[in-house]
Amino acid sequence: GNSVTQMEGPVTLSEEAFLTINCTYTATGYPSLFWYVQYPGEGLQLLLKATKADDKGSNKGFEATYRKETTSFHLEKGSVQVSDSAVYFCALIPGSARQLTFGSGTQLTVLP
Amino acid sequence: GAGVSQSPRYKVAKRGQDVALRCDPISGHVSLFWYQQALGQGPEFLTYFQNEAQLDKSGLPSDRFFAERPEGSVSTLKIQRTQQEDSAVYLCASSPKLAGGPGELFFGEGSRLTVL
Repeated sequence: GNSVTQMEGPVTLSEEAFLTINCTYTATGYPSLFWYVQYPGEGLQLLLKATKADDKGSNKGFEATYRKETTSFHLEKGSVQVSDSAVYFCALIPGSARQLTFGSGTQLTVLP
Repeated sequence: GAGVSQSPRYKVAKRGQDVALRCDPISGHVSLFWYQQALGQGPEFLTYFQNEAQLDKSGLPSDRFFAERPEGSVSTLKIQRTQQEDSAVYLCASSPKLAGGPGELFFGEGSRLTVL
């Protein structure tokens, strides 16, 4: 079946620290991979995506590279800000499916 | 606003009551999804509409759950005879594209259902 495994949280960092949130997946076919973010009191928003192996998605200083050999899509940011505090979800759509399959989410808190 | 709108934002129901949750997608969006998000978990797929057609309802947990989108716009998720395990946030998402590709989904803020 299709599944996404995320690094368990919560994660607490100081401002300007380096962030990595690990994500690995199991999927049939060649999935598209996503990171969604949920800020407090808001709906889920697409942060970035990658549709094929070795693609790098990037947005707002965040990056993730689609690694087929390790079935991973780790989220990174070089210098986090307080405003990055949110819950981050890794997700995939397998080639044959319509719906997103989500990981369990990682709560990030950035302290000033 | 121009986003996906869900109502009510919060609903408390006594066990056994019926509830109806509404989703107003972004105007013109073809695809509409419902997800269920339990506390501390990621969203789980419930059902998918393409316009007014319900093409996939494989995620609905029981026959107490029913969804409709009669005119291909507003959708309602109905839960009959609610039980405590139905307590969750119900998310609606829409997309301008047909599902099955890497298109972006636009999510509403969700309806938080608490069953006492």
